Amino acid sequence: EAAVTQSPRNKVAVTGGKVTLSCNQTNNHNNMYWYRQDTGHGLRLIHYSYGAGSTEKGDIPDGYKASRPSQENFSLILELATPSQTSVYFCASGGTGGADTQYFGPGTRLLVL
Amino acid sequence: QQKVQQSPESLIVPEGGMASLNCTFSDRNSQYFWWYRQHSGEGPKALMSIFSNGDKKEGRFTAHLNKASLYVSLHIKDSQPSDSALYFCAVMYGGSGNKLIFGTGTLLSVKP
Repeated sequence: EAAVTQSPRNKVAVTGGKVTLSCNQTNNHNNMYWYRQDTGHGLRLIHYSYGAGSTEKGDIPDGYKASRPSQENFSLILELATPSQTSVYFCASGGTGGADTQYFGPGTRLLVL
Repeated sequence: QQKVQQSPESLIVPEGGMASLNCTFSDRNSQYFWWYRQHSGEGPKALMSIFSNGDKKEGRFTAHLNKASLYVSLHIKDSQPSDSALYFCAVMYGGSGNKLIFGTGTLLSVKP
């Protein structure tokens, strides 16, 4: 099964500070995704990528940037963190076929004070 | 945009009982559907996929898809305490990127 790891697992940040969440996958998937999970909203797509050097906006991209420097790594960047960005963030990877499954990491719990 | 709704929000079933989870979607052109399961403190994990109308059985789990009725369901037979988790329906949308839109989830509790 696909292996997706995330760091840090927990993060406390201050309002206005910069936060970088990192994701690594070891299964050579072209596609990678960042979601946030909030009670009552399920999982919502923030940014995604087709491969190294590409980033695309998802459904809720405002306040977030993404970076895909290599096939294996995909980062989510909060330049000016706000309390509304307190959430659990999940990274996922998957293949390019329509029927390909997405594999999720363990999540990062972010608290913005 | 595609909308995915799940019911019930929460469900309690006795050990050994049947759990039935429901999901409706809004785009008739949708082709690919997944059920994901998330145990507390973990990331979601794909449980099963279904792409054709009808039933698909994998062990104690049966998924049902009716594209014309915009409906997909998951039935868990002989429920076990280890099945207690948050279950998401996910539907692929958009022309590229294999993007998924998730329902808000059903929290299943299986009581011994």
